[in-house]
Amino acid sequence: LAKTTQPISMDSYEGQEVNITCSHNNIATNDYITWYQQFPSQGPRFIIQGYKTKVTNEVASLFIPADRKSSTLSLPRVSLSDTAVYYCLVPQRGDNTDKLIFGTGTRLQVFP
Amino acid sequence: DVKVTQSSRYLVKRTGEKVFLECVQDMDHENMFWYRQDPGLGLRLIYFSYDVKMKEKGDIPEGYSVSREKKERFSLILESASTNQTSMYLCASSLQGYSSTDTQYFGPGTRLTVL
Repeated sequence: LAKTTQPISMDSYEGQEVNITCSHNNIATNDYITWYQQFPSQGPRFIIQGYKTKVTNEVASLFIPADRKSSTLSLPRVSLSDTAVYYCLVPQRGDNTDKLIFGTGTRLQVFP
Repeated sequence: DVKVTQSSRYLVKRTGEKVFLECVQDMDHENMFWYRQDPGLGLRLIYFSYDVKMKEKGDIPEGYSVSREKKERFSLILESASTNQTSMYLCASSLQGYSSTDTQYFGPGTRLTVL
């Protein structure tokens, strides 16, 4: 079963680049990696998804090495409003059922 | 944009009461989910539904039941609320279920306090 591991928390300052790495050693061959962002008192929201190499959108970049056993979410020049919890998701494929397990996420605190 | 709404943002109930949490989505999604979120434990799946009247247990179904009579509506029921069910409850919907390319859309959450 694919299980994700990511740091519990990270601190940064405004204007810095933040990289959050998630390990997923048992990712299935055809599965994508998805990241969600959750602000306080809100539900999580999708921010980026990728399969391999690099994906970039208006919010973030996602770097995935060739072995796909990890992925790194990169937030360029963070601001105070990027303070949130970031979740890395990979499906857990079981014999009888598949699950999307959110885990505990990484709490990013951005300071002025 | 997909919209997922939950009936209440804040709810206070007493131990032993029957509690209904309602969730409605407007995008004709097949799949709907109920999670609870507690400090240090992340989001934990309670139940999900992949079709009307269909449901499957998640990781922590004990003490909860669900109802999905219409495609757009998914209800979470606490038959007899207990203090350990004080939590933030989040509803989500998605188009494809557990395909890894699927995106879940979340409601704003209901913070339930059981006294």
